Amino acid sequence: QKEVEQNSGPLSVPEGAIASLNCTYSDRGSQSFFWYRQYSGKSPELIMFIYSNGDKEDGRFTAQLNKASQYVSLLIRDSQPSDSATYLCAVRLRGSQGNLIFGKGTKLSVKP
Amino acid sequence: DTGVSQNPRHKITKRGQNVTFRCDPISEHNRLYWYRQTLGQGPEFLTYFQNEAQLEKSRLLSDRFSAERPKGSFSTLEIQRTEQGDSAMYLCASSPSNEKLFFGSGTQLSVL
Repeated sequence: QKEVEQNSGPLSVPEGAIASLNCTYSDRGSQSFFWYRQYSGKSPELIMFIYSNGDKEDGRFTAQLNKASQYVSLLIRDSQPSDSATYLCAVRLRGSQGNLIFGKGTKLSVKP
Repeated sequence: DTGVSQNPRHKITKRGQNVTFRCDPISEHNRLYWYRQTLGQGPEFLTYFQNEAQLEKSRLLSDRFSAERPKGSFSTLEIQRTEQGDSAMYLCASSPSNEKLFFGSGTQLSVL
C-alpha cells in the first residue's frame, strides 16, 4: 500500500463549482498534512496545511482532516480556470525529522 | 528575488557522466531538502539537511548520489555515473524551523 494515495484524475468541474480533492494515508501516526498546487512545468507551492482534526479555511480553500479515517481533503469553492493544476497531498510521517511524503497528485481542470 | 534558487535549470548529459546541481535556499531557512520528481508522480524525498548536518537520507537513494551543505548555506547534489533512470526533475526546498517547504524551480536532468 502506498503511503499517500490520491486519485490521479483528471477531475473536471465547471467554473464557479466546488472542487473536492481527496487523499488517504497509511501511517496512523502521521502528524502534519499539506496541500501543494503544481502548475504544469512549475514547482509545487504550498496552499494549506492542517494538523488537527476538523476543518481549516483560508479564502476559497478548506482543508479537512479525519485522523480516525486517515483521510484529508481539500475543497476549492468558486473554482476558477486559474485553479487548473495538479494538487499534491503531502504527509509528515511519524518519526520523520521533517521530510514530507507526497502523493501522485490529482489533476484538476476547471472549465469556463 | 529571495526565493529558493537552483542551477542549472536544465542539464543534458551522457550515460556514465557525473553531474552536480546547486541549490541556494532562502537565507534565513536552516532546513534544506532534495526531492526528485518524474512525470505523473509526486516529488520523491532524497535527503534532508538541518544547517550543515545531513540528518535524513532516503533508503532508495543509490550510493551514486551524494549531497553536501557546507557551512549550512548552499547545497550541492552530485550524481556519479549517471543512468537513464536518473532522468527527472530535481527539486530543492528550504524551510524555516516549522514544516512549510518552499520549492525552487528545479533542475531538469536528461540522461542520454
